[in-house]
Amino acid sequence: GAVVSQHPSWVICKSGTSVKIECRSLDFQATTMFWYRQFPKQSLMLMATSNEGSKATYEQGVEKDKFLINHASLTLSTLTVTSAHPEDSSFYICSADRGQGDVDGYTFGSGTRLTVV
Amino acid sequence: GDSVTQMEGPVTLSEEAFLTINCTYTATGYPSLFWYVQYPGEGLQLLLKATKADDKGSNKGFEATYRKETTSFHLEKGSVQVSDSAVYFCALLRAAGTALIFGKGTTLSVSS
Repeated sequence: GAVVSQHPSWVICKSGTSVKIECRSLDFQATTMFWYRQFPKQSLMLMATSNEGSKATYEQGVEKDKFLINHASLTLSTLTVTSAHPEDSSFYICSADRGQGDVDGYTFGSGTRLTVV
Repeated sequence: GDSVTQMEGPVTLSEEAFLTINCTYTATGYPSLFWYVQYPGEGLQLLLKATKADDKGSNKGFEATYRKETTSFHLEKGSVQVSDSAVYFCALLRAAGTALIFGKGTTLSVSS
């Protein structure tokens, strides 16, 4: 089945540094990937939609310059949290669409727990 | 816009009890509907899905029926186990290539 690998699973960084999170589709090509943020005991908030080879589409209220998304290939999308601050601490999850007109749902990565100290 | 509303939790049950988690949706057209499950510290796993009205999705003893007339997709299980303790998310997909829209999630806690 479709597998999405997300790394790292957890990361602790100092305030002001940048952190890169990778999301890879292992056995399929993902034309579209979605990045979500989940606050404790809350739902998933869509941050952005990324399509291979083009700029990501960000949801309203998400800072493009803070959350850099790159989808350079059909199997890899990255989310870089730049100049991280404690309020960026959260659980980040990616999901991937195989782009075959699939309405059967998407595959999710296992998530990344980011803690900024 | 499209949205999903699911019952507030937490839901606390004893082992072998019957489970219902309500989910209703608002959407234009005919979305696909899903239930995802999230275990502590993990990502989301697809539990079951239904892509058209009157379809019943089922998996691991869980069931949900796509009811267009009531715009609902309630999750049920006849006999829960401790291992079912997790957060359950109802979601809709308006069209291929668009993002899943999630409800707020319902925490289920099952005790032995």
